[in-house]
Amino acid sequence: QVQLQESGPGLVKPSETLSLTCSVSGGSISSYYWSWIRQPPGKGLEWVGYVDYSGSTNYNPSLKSRVTMSLDTSKNQFSLKLNSVTAADTAVFYCARSVGAWSPWDYWGQGTLVTVSS
Amino acid sequence: DIQMTQSPSSLSASVGDRVTISCRASQGISNYLAWFQQKPGKAPKSLIYAASNLQSGVPSRFTGGGSGTDFTLTISSLQPEDFATYFCQQYHGYPLTFGGGTKVEIK
Repeated sequence: QVQLQESGPGLVKPSETLSLTCSVSGGSISSYYWSWIRQPPGKGLEWVGYVDYSGSTNYNPSLKSRVTMSLDTSKNQFSLKLNSVTAADTAVFYCARSVGAWSPWDYWGQGTLVTVSS
Repeated sequence: DIQMTQSPSSLSASVGDRVTISCRASQGISNYLAWFQQKPGKAPKSLIYAASNLQSGVPSRFTGGGSGTDFTLTISSLQPEDFATYFCQQYHGYPLTFGGGTKVEIK
């Protein structure tokens, strides 16, 4: 059974960089597309972007200037960096898997709350 | 961006009721639509993909329909465990986008 687990600091200061990792178990990180999705407290869902098995990326234009995603096949992990954060970036961040760029997500992580505050 | 509009934003219903949630896309998305259920403090759970295909393990009381711009999620007989928030999501075009959610509450 494939499992995804997000990890990273739960508190980030304004203007700093938010860094999260998603560890994948029960399956290889190769041959899939790996997304980050976020949800501010009490609000809806927003797709942040994806990194695919080759390391190619596709970001939401609303965040593109601040986002970097990468893959670490040796650790079966992928990561998200969001720089210059503000309080508006406070959210639960989820990682998720899809088999293709135009495929639905089939596995999700449980989510991790990141709060931006001084 | 493709805008996804869900209605209603919330509804109250009783156990055993038939419930229908609507989702409209701002442009045609064929059947590239998924439905998710989310309970407080939990990750979204996939219910339906490709507009009408039930994910493995999802009860048959959940039905998805529609194509193009108009879609529905129907729960044929609401159960206590179905009280949650439901989201639609399109994967036809980037950026991927979600509906605003429909909260199903106990009457």
